[in-house]
Amino acid sequence: QKEVEQNSGPLSVPEGAIASLNCTYSDRGSQSFFWYRQYSGKSPELIMSIYSNGDKEDGRFTAQLNKASQYVSLLIRDSQPSDSATYLCAVKLKAAGNKLTFGGGTRVLVKP
Amino acid sequence: DTAVSQTPKYLVTQMGNDKSIKCEQNLGHDTMYWYKQDSKKFLKIMFSYNNKELIINETVPNRFSPKSPDKAHLNLHINSLELGDSAVYFCASSQDWDTGELFFGEGSRLTVL
Repeated sequence: QKEVEQNSGPLSVPEGAIASLNCTYSDRGSQSFFWYRQYSGKSPELIMSIYSNGDKEDGRFTAQLNKASQYVSLLIRDSQPSDSATYLCAVKLKAAGNKLTFGGGTRVLVKP
Repeated sequence: DTAVSQTPKYLVTQMGNDKSIKCEQNLGHDTMYWYKQDSKKFLKIMFSYNNKELIINETVPNRFSPKSPDKAHLNLHINSLELGDSAVYFCASSQDWDTGELFFGEGSRLTVL
């Protein structure tokens, strides 16, 4: 099992719909989780961080964390074409000395 | 005023050459990183410095040598370049070593011919 795993996509979503992205991680002891967005040809930028079980909302983005099941998800509500990007899940893996480890990313395409 | 800046943005060079990439951050952060993103878009950490001290040194060829003259600067020197070194190299910084909230530079695309 990869340390941080994401479906590579592309996830195709109609404009205005909800995009749902999932991420699983290998280390049950991990405590810190992050979502980064990377536009094509650009650098990653942090959009959400989550540390406790449950939901965390920021504008149109909601991060959901379930440590018992070892998954973290990102919902993008009212998806816009400008949301088309690759979304990278990142986890501070306790077993790896708390290094920030990235998944391979999920490519999202929002179609007008 | 760019928070994390890298130079050069593009390097095209022949196998066997040596090249350097420079990075500077003006955020007052303590920790800086080098990440490599390959053609499959996988982002992998190479090195991390905290207050000029090397704290993460992943298994990379010793042809790669980082240097941090002060906590605002982190450079990467690569000797004897190989085809497999072609990638985008990202510099990043964070407030401290414990956070996962990183600020990335624009990246330096290295192409080895």
